[in-house]
Amino acid sequence: GENVEQHPSTLSVQEGDSAVIKCTYSDSASNYFPWYKQELGKGPQLIIDIRSNVGEKKDQRIAVTLNKTAKHFSLHITETQPEDSAVYFCAARVAAGGTSYGKLTFGQGTILTVHP
Amino acid sequence: GAGVSQSPSNKVTEKGKDVELRCDPISGHTALYWYRQRLGQGLEFLIYFQGNSAPDKSGLPSDRFSAERTGESVSTLTIQRTQQEDSAVYLCASSFVTAAAFFGQGTRLTVV
Repeated sequence: GENVEQHPSTLSVQEGDSAVIKCTYSDSASNYFPWYKQELGKGPQLIIDIRSNVGEKKDQRIAVTLNKTAKHFSLHITETQPEDSAVYFCAARVAAGGTSYGKLTFGQGTILTVHP
Repeated sequence: GAGVSQSPSNKVTEKGKDVELRCDPISGHTALYWYRQRLGQGLEFLIYFQGNSAPDKSGLPSDRFSAERTGESVSTLTIQRTQQEDSAVYLCASSFVTAAAFFGQGTRLTVV
């Protein structure tokens, strides 16, 4: 089955700096890659996603890049703010058949801390 | 409702008791997931339902755990003979099979 590795496990930056979180996936049939932000005591919230037919997607201060050949994708947050502090999860969705069709597999998470 | 709804939000139970957790997905979503999240940890996959297909139960940690889904509607996760290591937040998410998944707020289970 699909396996998603996420790095780093913790990331500390100063306010205004950029933050980058990287994920690799194993199943070349995966075609959808969302990113989630989880604040303390809440469920994960979708912040951005990308499909395998594009290489980059931006939404204000956040962007995601995808390299299908290398099977890795990254989250980029620019001009970080203290309210960006949270746990971030990447995921990959399998597009092939069987009982796992459409199943999301998550990375282990990254704790991002933005210092004022 | 507008989002995924989970109930109860908090549950305290005695060791050895059975518990049932409920998830109401977004209307029309064919896919439904259950995850377990221990304190400070990542998302541990439990089970995945997709339409009328057989569910992917590969993440259920023991035969004390089971889940059902009624068509493309509500799902219940049942934990029998609860143990202290079952204490965690149980998260449910739903989606169309090729679209974004949305999470509920979770059920915090405490086994005492």
